[in-house]
Amino acid sequence: EAGVAQSPRYKIIEKRQSVAFWCNPISGHATLYWYQQILGQGPKLLIQFQNNGVVDDSQLPKDRFSAERLKGVDSTLKIQPAKLEDSAVYLCASSSTGGELFFGEGSRLTVL
Amino acid sequence: GEDVEQSLFLSVREGDSSVINCTYTDSSSTYLYWYKQEPGAGLQLLTYIFSNMDMKQDQRLTVLLNKKDKHLSLRIADTQTGDSAIYFCADLSGTYKYIFGTGTRLKVLA
Repeated sequence: EAGVAQSPRYKIIEKRQSVAFWCNPISGHATLYWYQQILGQGPKLLIQFQNNGVVDDSQLPKDRFSAERLKGVDSTLKIQPAKLEDSAVYLCASSSTGGELFFGEGSRLTVL
Repeated sequence: GEDVEQSLFLSVREGDSSVINCTYTDSSSTYLYWYKQEPGAGLQLLTYIFSNMDMKQDQRLTVLLNKKDKHLSLRIADTQTGDSAIYFCADLSGTYKYIFGTGTRLKVLA
């Protein structure tokens, strides 16, 4: 079974630039999550999708972050414009509803 | 909102047991999980416990849950250098929302 795929693995940008991260969940997983993990901290939920609908985006900074999940499969997380404090690893995870959470390897963002 | 807390560091000698502790605030937890994160990698599920259980054993891993005190622990028997990693406690609430702790960095000394 293929795991959760994320790209790019690494991205370096300057502040005020934009960046997009892509995630392909495990086939058949209805629930998809984006987490932000700042160095030395635990993952913080940014947004949770159930199929292509948003379940929880209460911690997503909506003035600069956006996310979509097309046709209930792949998802894209965008940051525009980026700030220094957005430097983090962005983790995508998926699960069949209520089951084990499977994580991708993450996309490491450095904002200079 | 819900919160999950862990101590930041633990250092043990190879062959000893490690005990990693976690406290949580959510009263509607259904499952509690332990995840492991190695450098540069995503999180991998180690084990989990249903909220109406008080103990679960899985090879070298023992999970203890005190629901009254909202305290979860992970014991690793015969700790090896390959167990060095960051361990995260996570709480699954009724809305399929996973809340993670800050992580405990386990260092195993040879």
